[in-house]
Amino acid sequence: EDKVVQSPLSLVVHEGDTVTLNCSYEVTNFRSLLWYKQEKKAPTFLFMLTSSGIEKKSGRLSSILDKKELFSILNITATQTGDSAVYLCAVCFYPQIKSGTASKLTFGTGTRLQVTL
Amino acid sequence: ETGVTQTPRHLVMGMTNKKSLKCEQHLGHNAMYWYKQSAKKPLELMFVYSLEERVENNSVPSRFSPECPNSSHLFLHLHTLQPEDSALYLCASSQETISYEQYFGPGTRLTVT
Repeated sequence: EDKVVQSPLSLVVHEGDTVTLNCSYEVTNFRSLLWYKQEKKAPTFLFMLTSSGIEKKSGRLSSILDKKELFSILNITATQTGDSAVYLCAVCFYPQIKSGTASKLTFGTGTRLQVTL
Repeated sequence: ETGVTQTPRHLVMGMTNKKSLKCEQHLGHNAMYWYKQSAKKPLELMFVYSLEERVENNSVPSRFSPECPNSSHLFLHLHTLQPEDSALYLCASSQETISYEQYFGPGTRLTVT
């Protein structure tokens, strides 16, 4: 069964700490892995990863994918209270190799991060 | 107005009502999506439209009926819903389908009484 598992489920850190969020997956015919940040309602896009070992970076956030071990990590350095949110991981894949088959997108349950002063 | 907008933002309906959720994207994207987000469950993809054609229907009950009249608008028609359908319904769009970054609307909080 295709699945995406995020850990930890929740995390409380102090401002200035560095955190690492994990996303592991088991899917057939992987296409891409996406990270989103959801603060109140609408998730906002952070990164899309398709290749192993290539770090994507945006300010204090960075992410990397390991297609051999089937996981990705999202790092946040020097955390701020504004980083408090639920971080969602989603994996896009083809459920079967057949011409014209639509790809699927499965989300993990998210990691709730709270950054305190 | 920019981005992805959704109306209404909140909706309370009885089990016998018929209502529609509306989504509009101002990004010139080719694909649009409906998601359901229930408490403590992963975001569930319900429908995918690419160039106004439905390409994905994830075993969603027939009481949910999507409509995509053009590439900028997406509707979700609701009828005879159940209390377990209460959730946040999110609309999203992307330049290409599904594997690319998606831009989400603010969502409609639906309560079925």
